[in-house]
Amino acid sequence: AQKVTQAQTEISVVEKEDVTLDCVYETRDTTYYLFWYKQPPSGELVFLIRRNSFDEQNEISGRYSWNFQKSTSSFNFTITASQVVDSAVYFCALSRGSGNTPLVFGKGTRLSVIA
Amino acid sequence: GAVVSQHPSWVICKSGTSVKIECRSLDFQATTMFWYRQFPKQSLMLMATSNEGSKATYEQGVEKDKFLINHASLTLSTLTVTSAHPEDSSFYICSASNPTEGDNSPLHFGNGTRLTVT
Repeated sequence: AQKVTQAQTEISVVEKEDVTLDCVYETRDTTYYLFWYKQPPSGELVFLIRRNSFDEQNEISGRYSWNFQKSTSSFNFTITASQVVDSAVYFCALSRGSGNTPLVFGKGTRLSVIA
Repeated sequence: GAVVSQHPSWVICKSGTSVKIECRSLDFQATTMFWYRQFPKQSLMLMATSNEGSKATYEQGVEKDKFLINHASLTLSTLTVTSAHPEDSSFYICSASNPTEGDNSPLHFGNGTRLTVT
């Protein structure tokens, strides 16, 4: 069975601080995909990143960066110099592979960035 | 890029009535769509897999007679909440992938439907 654990339920930081959101996953598949989504108060899911299990390179996109560590089954997400607009619920998710497979979501981490 | 449109964005209905939610893939054909449900401050949980031209596959604990799914065309799946009750109040969101994007295609999500049953 697949499982995603986001141990941090809520995090509050002051604007401009860096913050890391943790994600630990479980799967027996050798091929899988990991995702991060942002869900602002309006509810829609905003796609942030997809990473496949064979690509352990870390990725940076502007103030966002992701650290994929297969050895610890973790896919952590760091926001550098956080901004109030980053306040949202962030979900880590896992899928088996092809686009025709559903996602298993973690419980989400609610991030509040205070001005 | 691919877009998934969901309608309505929100709906309020009286207990005992039925509500239909539509999920459309706007610029691609989707043989498979997924329906998720999210209760307040909870995660998204897969309800069912909608398959074009065949019966939907429901997750354990989801009543198929209550949550009717119809995927009559390659661009439209509908979820009907029948005889809605207040406990069905939730955020329903659909997703689909574009097969032309290959196996690496990400799931595209609709903007969700917030259902409130009074």
